[in-house]
Amino acid sequence: QSLLTQPPSVSAAPGQNVTISCSGSSSNIGSNFVSWYQQLPGTAPKLLIYDNDKRPSGIPDRFSGSKSVTSATLGITGLQTGDEAAYFCGTWDTSLRSGPMFGGGTKLTVL
Amino acid sequence: EAQLVESGGGVIRPGGSLRLSCAASGFSFGDYGMNWVRQRPGKGLEWVSGINWKGDKTGYPDSVKGRFSISRDNGKNSLYLQMNSLRAEDTAVYYCVRDIVTGDAFDIWGQGTTVTVSS
Repeated sequence: QSLLTQPPSVSAAPGQNVTISCSGSSSNIGSNFVSWYQQLPGTAPKLLIYDNDKRPSGIPDRFSGSKSVTSATLGITGLQTGDEAAYFCGTWDTSLRSGPMFGGGTKLTVL
Repeated sequence: EAQLVESGGGVIRPGGSLRLSCAASGFSFGDYGMNWVRQRPGKGLEWVSGINWKGDKTGYPDSVKGRFSISRDNGKNSLYLQMNSLRAEDTAVYYCVRDIVTGDAFDIWGQGTTVTVSS
């Protein structure tokens, strides 16, 4: 059971916007940066967002990240069929001292 | 282009040992912290070990502590994971992963190597 809670699935039509939430606590999201990863079917995860809201080079600005207290949100605008994937949030937990941690993942279906 | 290529996965009996390797190219390997992250079949991501750029600091979660050992050879641009006393629950795809410069995320992932622990 992950300490970071994500909805198991979300869905939306092409062209629409969607948000994926990641809920934690004061010792993890509340105290550390959040990152987001996209995993297309059958491939390795790919970094989408780091330091809460920064995009690596090559990631389109359709993807955005935000953080508020103990929750983080990934936003995707103008959905494309190629966005259908699993999305994971990640951070650290200061109290556990056990290293990086991930949310359980959210499967995005583009209808 | 930065690239990580894992090798060494396979089928192993419970209690056995396996050594994974990761070959890095396209970046200055010795400047970055490195990690292994695994994904059990149909499940989420789990960090299983990390090592700093110099190789003198390592970390593990309780699930593998005492059984897994991470190491690196900066001269060979290579990362390793020695896995001992393997259990069925260690069955997973193992990814070699690079720390982002700030250390707060993982910016380069290998394609993964599959480890299956089964009798």
